[in-house]
Amino acid sequence: GDSVTQMEGPVTLSEEAFLTINCTYTATGYPSLFWYVQYPGEGLQLLLKATKADDKGSNKGFEATYRKETTSFHLEKGSVQVSDSAVYFCALTDAGNNRKLIWGLGTSLAVNP
Amino acid sequence: ETGVTQSPTHLIKTRGQQVTLRCSSQSGHNTVSWYQQALGQGPQFIFQYYREEENGRGNFPPRFSGLQFPNYSSELNVNALELDDSALYLCASSFSGVKEQYFGPGTRLTVT
Repeated sequence: GDSVTQMEGPVTLSEEAFLTINCTYTATGYPSLFWYVQYPGEGLQLLLKATKADDKGSNKGFEATYRKETTSFHLEKGSVQVSDSAVYFCALTDAGNNRKLIWGLGTSLAVNP
Repeated sequence: ETGVTQSPTHLIKTRGQQVTLRCSSQSGHNTVSWYQQALGQGPQFIFQYYREEENGRGNFPPRFSGLQFPNYSSELNVNALELDDSALYLCASSFSGVKEQYFGPGTRLTVT
């Protein structure tokens, strides 16, 4: 079945450092890909998305490019802030009618001042 | 535009009891999906409702059941609670044909 693999955390960075969180996927068909963020004690917020190959999703300085040839959707940010400390989830929608989300395990990011 | 809301925020139940969790979908959305998120894990799909009918189910036993109402709000019912049911239960709404889902803050269920 479809699956998502994320790099394990926790990731600890200093403020203004460059961030990469790796995400690869296995899927039949052509899934849509998402990054969600979960701040402490809160629900999940959609961060960015890409619906077809070579699409780049971007939001709040974060970017990710849908790479079909490497089945990847890595999250990047050029300069992280303390407020970016959260858990980041990579997810895809499967090819079925209900488009349920299939999730990675999440990567915890801590940014120190 | 009103976002997805869930109630209650927290709940403590005893093993064997039954629980009902509620979700109001975002304005304009007609599809509701429920997910279970255990501590330190990614969410797991429980089921989805579209136009008051179940539209797909994950690998959860029948004691997990749901409803969707004409106003698209939804309930998740869990019978015969087990300790392993302790988790954050997330509701997400979407509009059919649109792939992104928007999540509520979740209900934290603790089973003792």
